[in-house]
Amino acid sequence: NAGVTQTPKFQVLKTGQSMTLQCAQDMNHEYMSWYRQDPGMGLRLIHYSVGAGITDQGEVPNGYNVSRSTTEDFPLRLLSAAPSQTSVYFCASSPIQTSSYEQYFGPGTRLTVT
Amino acid sequence: GNSVTQMEGPVTLSEEAFLTINCTYTATGYPSLFWYVQYPGEGLQLLLKATKADDKGSNKGFEATYRKETTSFHLEKGSVQVSDSAVYFCALRKGSGGSNYKLTFGKGTLLTVNP
Repeated sequence: NAGVTQTPKFQVLKTGQSMTLQCAQDMNHEYMSWYRQDPGMGLRLIHYSVGAGITDQGEVPNGYNVSRSTTEDFPLRLLSAAPSQTSVYFCASSPIQTSSYEQYFGPGTRLTVT
Repeated sequence: GNSVTQMEGPVTLSEEAFLTINCTYTATGYPSLFWYVQYPGEGLQLLLKATKADDKGSNKGFEATYRKETTSFHLEKGSVQVSDSAVYFCALRKGSGGSNYKLTFGKGTLLTVNP
């Protein structure tokens, strides 16, 4: 298993540009989520999904869109990038029907918006 | 709402020193508690967990006990190594079902261990 994969690893955008951060998992996990990590802020939840076709907002959803058309993929879209979206983005997944509750994280995407 | 408060870093120790990173939480009901570790340039990995009061999670020499009476889940290790240098996150997950799969994280504590 590859686990949770994210692409790209690094990205530089200009203000106003759009892009999609890709996330895929091969563990057949129902739950997937996106976090952003900023210095001194820990990880903050952007959006999450409990299955294909089902998404919901997290703590900091503004400026981001998501969709979940398959169990495996959960892309994060920035519609019009802003410098405030400069951050490290992590995708995570976990099974729902389990007592372990462990979330598996991808390696992250470091985004800089100039 | 749920929240996690952990000691602010950075924490700098010498090899073989004793480590404690404090973590307290606020949540209704009976959350599950976690410590995640992030090594430089990598994503987060689960270090240990406890799902009910008085449970002790342990892994790689690290331990933490779920104390409901003090709403705490402090991370300890008796003898740290240089390879333990990382950022440590305390987190909670409230119950199960519905939207309760979300993790709430503390702000993280940077640990540096010197030889």
